[in-house]
Amino acid sequence: DADVTQTPRNRITKTGKRIMLECSQTKGHDRMYWYRQDPGLGLRLIYYSFDVKDINKGEISDGYSVSRQAQAKFSLSLESAIPNQTALYFCAVSNRGTTNTGELFFGEGSRLTVL
Amino acid sequence: AQSVTQPDIHITVSEGASLELRCNYSYGATPYLFWYVQSPGQGLQLLLKYFSGDTLVQGIKGFEAEFKRSQSSFNLRKPSVHWSDAAEYFCAVSNTGGFKTIFGAGTRLFVKA
Repeated sequence: DADVTQTPRNRITKTGKRIMLECSQTKGHDRMYWYRQDPGLGLRLIYYSFDVKDINKGEISDGYSVSRQAQAKFSLSLESAIPNQTALYFCAVSNRGTTNTGELFFGEGSRLTVL
Repeated sequence: AQSVTQPDIHITVSEGASLELRCNYSYGATPYLFWYVQSPGQGLQLLLKYFSGDTLVQGIKGFEAEFKRSQSSFNLRKPSVHWSDAAEYFCAVSNTGGFKTIFGAGTRLFVKA
């Protein structure tokens, strides 16, 4: 269990507002990810980070930005939220190197509603 | 293009009945294959994974999956479903580095008494 914590768990906001979703982990995993879940679409990768200085875009990065403030913290920002960013957002972590099995450990999700 | 297809959006089975959830993938290299389960209000939890070796893999909660390279499939099975198995199930494929995981759209399992 990677003990991944996401805050907030639920957030309702208005179009044009700036939103930050935060993720922290306590087990020292190197890699951190942000996914978005939409009904019927599964999970899609927004951004991923291998370490503090290594940030990479995923499949759907437009409209999002991230910050890896520390090894254990990875934040997702929506600079100007729009209604089609209403979704369930997951933070996940994994290991690299010889301990990397590709398994992802997920937080419990942050449900964002943009009105 | 790399993709994962779960043909069934939802499935309903009776408690005690057997279960098979289908997964087909398209991947250029040797894939790492996974099944995750998402209970309501929860994150995803790994059920099982396949990297190499025996094509029948065992997972948690009595689940197993069989990798069939010729059919590009990785179907999930359970011989006897329990009411607590009601959840959404995701098949996923990853590269060998494990950092580009592609998920299927999910199959929601309903269990009736």
